[in-house]
Amino acid sequence: GENVEQHPSTLSVQEGDSAVIKCTYSDSASNYFPWYKQELGKRPQLIIDIRSNVGEKKDQRIAVTLNKTAKHFSLHITETQPEDSAVYFCAALTGGGNKLTFGTGTQLKVEL
Amino acid sequence: EADIYQTPRYLVIGTGKKITLECSQTMGHDKMYWYQQDPGMELHLIHYSYGVNSTEKGDLSSESTVSRIRTEHFPLTLESARPSHTSQYLCASRPGQDYGYTFGSGTRLTVV
Repeated sequence: GENVEQHPSTLSVQEGDSAVIKCTYSDSASNYFPWYKQELGKRPQLIIDIRSNVGEKKDQRIAVTLNKTAKHFSLHITETQPEDSAVYFCAALTGGGNKLTFGTGTQLKVEL
Repeated sequence: EADIYQTPRYLVIGTGKKITLECSQTMGHDKMYWYQQDPGMELHLIHYSYGVNSTEKGDLSSESTVSRIRTEHFPLTLESARPSHTSQYLCASRPGQDYGYTFGSGTRLTVV
């Protein structure tokens, strides 16, 4: 079936440290993997995505890596800042490319 | 501004009432989705649509219905509201393959 597992469920880091969130997926046909950031009381916002033809993508302090053989992908945030505190969701395109299956979310807290 | 709009933003309603949550997007996207989410928690797919006159059930579809008569409009109807329906409802759309969702700001529903 279509399943996306996400770890950890909560992550606390000191400001300036790096944060890593990992996801695994089950649908071998998945070829698109977005990451969303949801701040308290707000809508989820797309922050970065990766397609299956590349192994890594970077945008300033955030990067995503993809290992299609192992069916896992990760979000890396460097030099974390308090405004990075939010819930982060990974997702994989499933259902024949018709819908996103989301992970269960990671609550990231960046402490001063 | 091209975006996805949800109304009402907040709704308090009595048990047994019929309600319709509105969702409209001005981006010309074919694919639209409804999710249920308790704040900061998992996203549960309720219904989705590939385009006009197409609707599909998600994981939590049994107590609601949707329609897609126009590309830009995708309303969600609860026939008989129950306290267990208390949650946030997020509408989303995307243009096609290999693209992520744009989410609306959500409707926070409370059934008393």
